[in-house]
Amino acid sequence: DAGVTQSPTHLIKTRGQQVTLRCSPKSGHDTVSWYQQALGQGPQFIFQYYEEEERQRGNFPDRFSGHQFPNYSSELNVNALLLGDSALYLCASSLAGGLKRYTDTQYFGPGTRLTVL
Amino acid sequence: AQKVTQAQTEISVVEKEDVTLDCVYETRDTTYYLFWYKQPPSGELVFLIRRNSFDEQNEISGRYSWNFQKSTSSFNFTITASQVVDSAVYFCALSEATVAGANNLFFGTGTRLTVIP
Repeated sequence: DAGVTQSPTHLIKTRGQQVTLRCSPKSGHDTVSWYQQALGQGPQFIFQYYEEEERQRGNFPDRFSGHQFPNYSSELNVNALLLGDSALYLCASSLAGGLKRYTDTQYFGPGTRLTVL
Repeated sequence: AQKVTQAQTEISVVEKEDVTLDCVYETRDTTYYLFWYKQPPSGELVFLIRRNSFDEQNEISGRYSWNFQKSTSSFNFTITASQVVDSAVYFCALSEATVAGANNLFFGTGTRLTVIP
């Protein structure tokens, strides 16, 4: 049973560039969430995708955008990179709760370490 | 507003000692979920446990146990007879169930546990 996978593992970019990170959810999951984890901090929620739409968004600027594909995989795009975007980007997958007041457990991938120079 | 506080930044124990990691949370929601994740040096967040707000029953899983007390808004994690492999950063997280089913996680800042052989 494949877990959550992310690519690439590491990435080095320069300020102003754009980056795309990729995530494949755990088998059977249909919801993908993205988190940013700065060094020494806890992960911070960026956004969540379900049925190819952004369902919820954290406090991140519009430079951060995403996409979910019909096979449930997802991409995170960051435009106009800043030094402060250097972080570990974590993808998590879960099963949708629909309209019920229900929360499924999120399972995380190994992350992509982004360094902005 | 939601908040998770892990006051212990770093803890060091000698192998075979017991250790308790503290977690205090704040939420206005009556339905919420609490989680503990382990982050080893590899970076991947490993799910340990989930608790919903209706279930205050404590749980034991091998050397791990969790104490959930709504009266003090705490969800503490105890490792009995610690081992070197327990060395990692441990995160407590909160999720508030929403009508739409979105389930983003709010993380504490983590506690770095070092088990000395």
